[in-house]
Amino acid sequence: QMQLVQSGAEVKKTGSSVKVSCKASGYTFTYRYLHWVRQAPGQALEWMGWITPFNGNTNYAQKFQDRVTITRDRSMSTAYMELSSLRSEDTAMYYCASGDAFDIWGQGTMVTVSS
Amino acid sequence: NFMLTQPHSVSESPGKTVTISCTRSSGSIASNYVQWYQQRPGSSPTTVIYEDNQRPSGVPDRFSGSIDSSSNSASLTISGLKTEDEADYYCQSYDSSNRGVFGGGTKLTVL
Repeated sequence: QMQLVQSGAEVKKTGSSVKVSCKASGYTFTYRYLHWVRQAPGQALEWMGWITPFNGNTNYAQKFQDRVTITRDRSMSTAYMELSSLRSEDTAMYYCASGDAFDIWGQGTMVTVSS
Repeated sequence: NFMLTQPHSVSESPGKTVTISCTRSSGSIASNYVQWYQQRPGSSPTTVIYEDNQRPSGVPDRFSGSIDSSSNSASLTISGLKTEDEADYYCQSYDSSNRGVFGGGTKLTVL
């Protein structure tokens, strides 16, 4: 079945970077947008950006434009989201999701940022 | 850019019908498809409606979606409410630059 499996929880220091992976299986990785969405504790979903795995094109939310980089490795059917200059407000669950209608979601990766 | 505004919470009794609204602040609600996601506590979201009114396979026909240009809003209607429907619901669309936009979420209580 189609699924996305994300890397494990991370604890980071303020000012550092985090890189989360998302491995796709059960479908052709290059055929679907791959989005990143985050959710701070008790808060709403927040779209961060997407990548088209076929050619690596990206599109980022203006809020994260300067700090986020989404990449992919086609040979591994894996996408990555790197967020830099971390601050406490970046403590959140980070999800990857596939397709125009986000119809496949990863299990989420908890990123905790502390000083 | 635009915002999608949802009620913070709604509640209804089992067996009844509830409608959750999602109002677009600027631009036409019909400009881009609207999706709806269900998120139960501690779980990843799942799609219950895509492309305004389409149901993924496996989603019961108790769930329906619509858009209303006069109010510039989308709606998710759940009929025959069950306790298992208790969850947070989010609407989502895209802007003219194909960037995603989520609503603030609605907590549905079935009591």
